Order: sequence, then structure tokens, then C-alpha cells
Amino acid sequence: QKEVEQNSGPLSVPEGAIASLNCTYSDRGSQSFFWYRQYSGKSPELIMSIYSNGDQEDGRFTAQLNKASQYVSLLIRDSQPSDSATYLCAVLWGDNFNKFYFGSGTKLNVKP
Amino acid sequence: DGGITQSPKYLFRKEGQNVTLSCEQNLNHDAMYWYRQDPGQGLRLIYYSQIVNDFQKGDIAEGYSVSREKKESFPLTVTSAQKNPTAFYLCASSPGGAGRAFFGQGTRLTVV
Repeated sequence: QKEVEQNSGPLSVPEGAIASLNCTYSDRGSQSFFWYRQYSGKSPELIMSIYSNGDQEDGRFTAQLNKASQYVSLLIRDSQPSDSATYLCAVLWGDNFNKFYFGSGTKLNVKP
Repeated sequence: DGGITQSPKYLFRKEGQNVTLSCEQNLNHDAMYWYRQDPGQGLRLIYYSQIVNDFQKGDIAEGYSVSREKKESFPLTVTSAQKNPTAFYLCASSPGGAGRAFFGQGTRLTVV
């Protein structure tokens, strides 16, 4: 069974700070990695995708990938109370990279 | 508007009943997925399909069945064999390859 591990949190940061969310995965063969944000009672929405080692930036969000260490992270700069949500790490696996596996999510609380 | 539509939003099942959750997409995606989410948990893969008339079991397929007779439709039946069906069910689709997963709004199923 493939595994995607995340710290469940909650992670609490003050407004304006940097939030750092981490994820590890069990299979070196995976090629695509995603961060989703999920508000309570809602469906996940995509925040970032990353496919190669290094950093990928989009506005206040930066995804970091280290395939050798099997590690993906998400940095949220200038955190806002509206960023308070659960963040899910997803990894694409399968013979044809056709299965998305999700971590259990990290709950982020941004305090005003 | 393009997207994924799940219905109903809320569903109540009596003990011993089969119920069917609908999932329709107009994104022309080849791959479709069903996930189950329990409170405070991540998403667990029930079934997935890459092409019409073909589908594969995920990690928790027992007590569930699916069909893929049309590209745009992937209904999930929760059978009476599923002993603990109360959960949030999410349908997703993907264009395949390394593409991201798009989610519907979810169906919350409760056993009464």
C-alpha cells in the first residue's frame, strides 16, 4: 500500500507569518505531487502542483519537492485567517500514474 | 460551465438499503475516481476508471460497486454489504497523464 504521511496538526501561526506544511511519501516512482486546500464540509481545491525537484511559486504559495528524500512541502507566506483550512498532500501513482493517493491532511489555524 | 456534478448533496440510507450516488462531468476527462472521507481523515480511494467500460478497485472497494457506461458518468452504489457507510463521498476526474484531479462538491451519506 502506498503511503502519504502528513502531520495532522493543528498548526497555529499568527497572521502575517509563514506557515510550513510537510508531506512524505513511500514510493520513489511517483512523478506528480499536489497540494489541495479543504475547508470544513467542502470539497478539496487545488493550490499547487509540482513535478520536478526544487521550488514552484504561485503568489503567496511555494511548493518544494525533494524526490531523493521523498518529501514535499508547502509554504504559505503572509498567512491570512482565510487560509485556515485543512491542507491535503496528494501523490499520483499507478502503472500509468492513474491513482491519486492523499495524506490525512494538516489543519492550519491562522490567528488574527 | 465545465465541472463535476455530484448529487444528491445529502443522502440518508436505512439499514439494509442500497443507494446510488451520482457523478457527472463535462470536462471530457478520461479518468474518474470515487473517494471516501471520514471525519478528520484523508481521502481513501474506493474505485477508479480510466476508460469507458473499465474500472478498478481502490483500497476500500468492499461493499461498493460502480459502472462506467458513459465517459461523463461514474455512479457509485453503496450496498447493504457496506456496514459503516456514513461518510463524505467525493467524486473526481482527471484528464489523465500527470494532470490534476478535479473534485465535485461531495455527497454526505448518513445511515438512519
